[in-house]
Amino acid sequence: KAGVTQTPRYLIKTRGQQVTLSCSPISGHRSVSWYQQTPGQGLQFLFEYFSETQRNKGNFPGRFSGRQFSNSRSEMNVSTLELGDSALYLCASSPRTGGNSPLHFGNGTRLTVT
Amino acid sequence: DQQVKQNSPSLSVQEGRISILNCDYTNSMFDYFLWYKKYPAEGPTFLISISSIKDKNEDGRFTVFLNKSAKHLSLHIVPSQPGDSAVYFCAGDNAGNMLTFGGGTRLMVKP
Repeated sequence: KAGVTQTPRYLIKTRGQQVTLSCSPISGHRSVSWYQQTPGQGLQFLFEYFSETQRNKGNFPGRFSGRQFSNSRSEMNVSTLELGDSALYLCASSPRTGGNSPLHFGNGTRLTVT
Repeated sequence: DQQVKQNSPSLSVQEGRISILNCDYTNSMFDYFLWYKKYPAEGPTFLISISSIKDKNEDGRFTVFLNKSAKHLSLHIVPSQPGDSAVYFCAGDNAGNMLTFGGGTRLMVKP
C-alpha cells in the first residue's frame, strides 16, 4: 500500500506570494490533517478534513486554508506569505476521525520564504 | 501554553540497554497519547499509543506507561538498538486527529 504522498518536496517562494501544497492520503483513508513544523514552535496542528468537511482548525491566521476533494486528496493554501511561514508542512491521513486512529504522515513539503 | 512537554532534548544510551523517554502534559482532556519517531527528512512514524483509561501498553520492545495523577507518560525501549536513534515525539489527542505534540527528544543509541 502506498503511503501518504506530498508534493512538491521543496518550494521556495517570495514574501507576499501564495502557495498551494498537495497531499494524497493512503488509499481508503478519509481523514487528512495538516501540521506545521518549525524549530521554534515544533509540530503544530493546522486543520483536519474528513469527507470534504473541515472538522478542526488550529490557531493559525486566515491566510492558511485548505480543502479536501471527493477522492480524499487535500490541498492547503497559504496566501500573502511571510518569512515566518518557512517551515516543514506535514500531511497525515487516517482511516477515520474521532481519535484512537494513529495518523500516518507523509515526508512533508519544505517551504522556504525569502 | 505548552500542553505537552518533553523536558529532555536529548538522551544517549548504550546498545542493549533500556531507553526511557519522558513526557508531561497539562491538559486533562486528552483521550489518547501517542508516541512517534522521526528520522531526518522523513515524516513522523507512529510507534505506540495508550488510552487515558489505561496505565500501560506494550508492543514488542516498546512499552508506554501512563500516570494520570502525575500527568506523566514514558516510553521504554528494551533492548535499545542503533536503528532506534531518532527524534521521539509524544502527543496528546483530545479532539480526534488533532494532536498536540511535545518538543521532541533526540535519542542516540551507541553501538
